[in-house]
Amino acid sequence: DVVMTQTPPSLSVAIGQSVSISCKSSQSLVYSDGKTYLHWLLQSPGRSPKRLIYQVSNLGSGVPDRFSGTGSQKDFTLKISRVEAEDLGVYYCAQTTHFPYTFGAGTKLELK
Amino acid sequence: EVQLVESGGGLVQPGRSLKLSCLASGFTFSNYGMNWIRQAPGKGLEWVASISSSSSYIYYADTVKGRFTISRDNAKNTLYLQMTSLRSEDTALYYCARPASYWGQGVMVTVSS
Repeated sequence: DVVMTQTPPSLSVAIGQSVSISCKSSQSLVYSDGKTYLHWLLQSPGRSPKRLIYQVSNLGSGVPDRFSGTGSQKDFTLKISRVEAEDLGVYYCAQTTHFPYTFGAGTKLELK
Repeated sequence: EVQLVESGGGLVQPGRSLKLSCLASGFTFSNYGMNWIRQAPGKGLEWVASISSSSSYIYYADTVKGRFTISRDNAKNTLYLQMTSLRSEDTALYYCARPASYWGQGVMVTVSS
């Protein structure tokens, strides 16, 4: 199984601050079609997960451009510029390249 | 607007069965593979099962293989998860999802005597 190592486990930030979350996979996430199926999700308190970014760097519909994703192969980063209160929650990276699909353990973003 | 609405959850005794449903709308259901993903209370996300658009390909997590069955009815825009021989460790919020796109609100399954 592909192990997704997500760091840090938690972040305490001030509104307006920028932060980055790292996600490293134990195997390359490049699929046979050449695409990389690494995605970022946000689970706000009491809510179901919501897709933020798909295939490494593509912004989901309605997602503010304060969010950006970069990376390749086994090393990926989510950056949030100018954190806002609505960004609080748990961020997960997820890979759907290999079965079983696997998720990072999550990064909890809290207000300082 | 895309909607995934799960139903069928509840409290069930260990060893018993339960069937979850997920009604999809707002997209062409028959064009997409679908998944069940669960989240135990206070824990992270765990993929459970996937089914391709035409049901040709089906995959399960090792933790549920042989006990759970994923299926779909494209005419009814509905995804199913038949769960048998339930265990306490199956207690979780079960999401119907296209994980890189859309998630349902989840349905709670509690396995307890």
